[in-house]
Amino acid sequence: KQEVTQIPAALSVPEGENLVLNCSFTDSAIYNLQWFRQDPGKGLTSLLLIQSSQREQTSGRLNASLDKSSGRSTLYIAASQPGDSATYLCAVRSGNTPLVFGKGTRLSVIA
Amino acid sequence: DTAVSQTPKYLVTQMGNDKSIKCEQNLGHDTMYWYKQDSKKFLKIMFSYNNKELIINETVPNRFSPKSPDKAHLNLHINSLELGDSAVYFCASSQDGWAGELFFGEGSRLTVL
Repeated sequence: KQEVTQIPAALSVPEGENLVLNCSFTDSAIYNLQWFRQDPGKGLTSLLLIQSSQREQTSGRLNASLDKSSGRSTLYIAASQPGDSATYLCAVRSGNTPLVFGKGTRLSVIA
Repeated sequence: DTAVSQTPKYLVTQMGNDKSIKCEQNLGHDTMYWYKQDSKKFLKIMFSYNNKELIINETVPNRFSPKSPDKAHLNLHINSLELGDSAVYFCASSQDGWAGELFFGEGSRLTVL
């Protein structure tokens, strides 16, 4: 059974810093991995989708990497802004199951 | 135009009542889902439908019954509501079954008193 873990659970950084969020999964036979952002009281917004054949994806200041063999993904946020404050969720699709989510990392960017 | 829309956004009801949450997607996707987010913010799959057919039915009480009248709609009916059903319910959709990117609705917050 796939399990997804995100570390740290919460992170607070000053504006302008570069930061890395971590995601690990137990079953490396995945189809894809998706990073989401969730603002308080809101739904999930898809940030990046990485297929199992890819090593990384980039969108603006965001870069997500995937290392299937070690069961890890990282989300790199460059030059963080207060507007980046949200909960970031990692989710993995594998086998005959739809997305399995981690518990998220709550990010606060302090102005 | 909202891609995945859910109604109602908020629902407050008494224990024992029956309620429904509606979901519609205008993305032309073939797969739709219901997820539950509990008080600890953990998201867990409940149901998955592909072209109106049930694909996944996780360990969910049979008081919960999804209904998909067509590919663009997946409604969630809940009978005999219990306190523990209080949560935020998210509808989502994707193309190409489970290989595609998932798009979520804004969520429906259910409070059972």
